[in-house]
Order: sequence, then structure tokens, then C-alpha cells
Amino acid sequence: DAGVIQSPRHEVTEMGQEVTLRCKPISGHDYLFWYRQTMMRGLELLIYFNNNVPIDDSGMPEDRFSAKMPNASFSTLKIQPSEPRDSAVYFCASSQRGGTEAFFGQGTRLTVV
Amino acid sequence: LAKTTQPISMDSYEGQEVNITCSHNNIATNDYITWYQQFPSQGPRFIIQGYKTKVTNEVASLFIPADRKSSTLSLPRVSLSDTAVYYCLVGAYTGTASKLTFGTGTRLQVTL
Repeated sequence: DAGVIQSPRHEVTEMGQEVTLRCKPISGHDYLFWYRQTMMRGLELLIYFNNNVPIDDSGMPEDRFSAKMPNASFSTLKIQPSEPRDSAVYFCASSQRGGTEAFFGQGTRLTVV
Repeated sequence: LAKTTQPISMDSYEGQEVNITCSHNNIATNDYITWYQQFPSQGPRFIIQGYKTKVTNEVASLFIPADRKSSTLSLPRVSLSDTAVYYCLVGAYTGTASKLTFGTGTRLQVTL
């Protein structure tokens, strides 16, 4: 398996634009996590899914953020409208059975100017 | 989830053994202890996981005392490539309630 695949690796967008980040989890993994990492706040869990169903979205900062998982092999994190303070590295991770051994993607570095 | 406390940073010379201790006083009965490593510009990578006593794999050892209120990650004979941030996580290994919450981590700097 190629591991967790995220796209794009880098995204630069203007304030107010919509941004969509994509993630393909490892096949067979039934948990998917979205994280955000910044220097100030470290790694923050935004939302996680189990069997494509959102379980806990308490970490989603505000209504501008939304995440979907239409099937077991694909998830998106959307920011609309984007703001400069959304600039961060966004990681997607997947795991089996909800265990604490998760596999992370390479991340998407988002810059909002 | 149990809160974790670990040193912000540590320094070591190449070839030495490094021990990073994590405190988790409020660990619950069904919580596991997991350590991750993160290099710059990469996602965290699973290192080791344990419940009690000692666990060893090809990368590290994890020591957990009987009361489980702390744990120690031991890296034998570190090299420059072990320079990274190490995170201690405590969480339940259950199907419906598991989630990963990272603390601030310990930044390990290995030098010659």
C-alpha cells in the first residue's frame, strides 16, 4: 500500500477563496483523522470518521470548515471562505479499529494570503 | 483523555541512549500509551505502543511502571537522524471512542 495520500502538497490561495484538501486513506482502515499543525498551536485534531461517518468534529474551528467522507477511500476538508489564520499544515491519518497506531500522510501546506 | 506532560526539549550526543519520560497521572484503565516521532515537513510516525511493563521493538523500548502514571521512551544509541519531535499520547483502544490528541512533544536534538 502506498500509505495515506494527500493532495495537493502545497496550496497558496487568496483570502476569501474556497480551499479543498483531499485524502486517500490506507485501504482497509476504518478510521480517518484530519489534523492541523501550526507553530503556535501544535497538532490539533479537527475531526475524525469511523466507517465514513463523522464521529467527533469538536475540533473544527468554525463553520467555515467542513469535512466529508463519501466513501471508504476518499475524504475532503473544505475551507470556505479561507482566511490568513487558516495557514497551516493539514494532515490526514488513518487507522484500523480506532487504535492509536495511525498512519499519517505527508500533509498539505496551506498558505492563505 | 488523559493529559500528558513531557519535557519541551532534550539534547544528546550521537551514540548515547536517550530516555524521554512522559507523565500521565489521569490515565484510565483502558488507555494505551503510544509514542510518535515527527521529522520536519513530515507527518508523525508511530514508534511504539504499550499498556504496562515493558515493550520493545526494533526502534525503541517503552517502560511503563505498575501505576502507569508515567512512561519512558528509550532510544538506544541515537544517531543524527533521530533528531525529531517525539510525542507521547494516551488514549483508549476502543472502537467507538478512540481519538488521537497530541501534546506539545519533546524536541530531541542529537549532535556529534
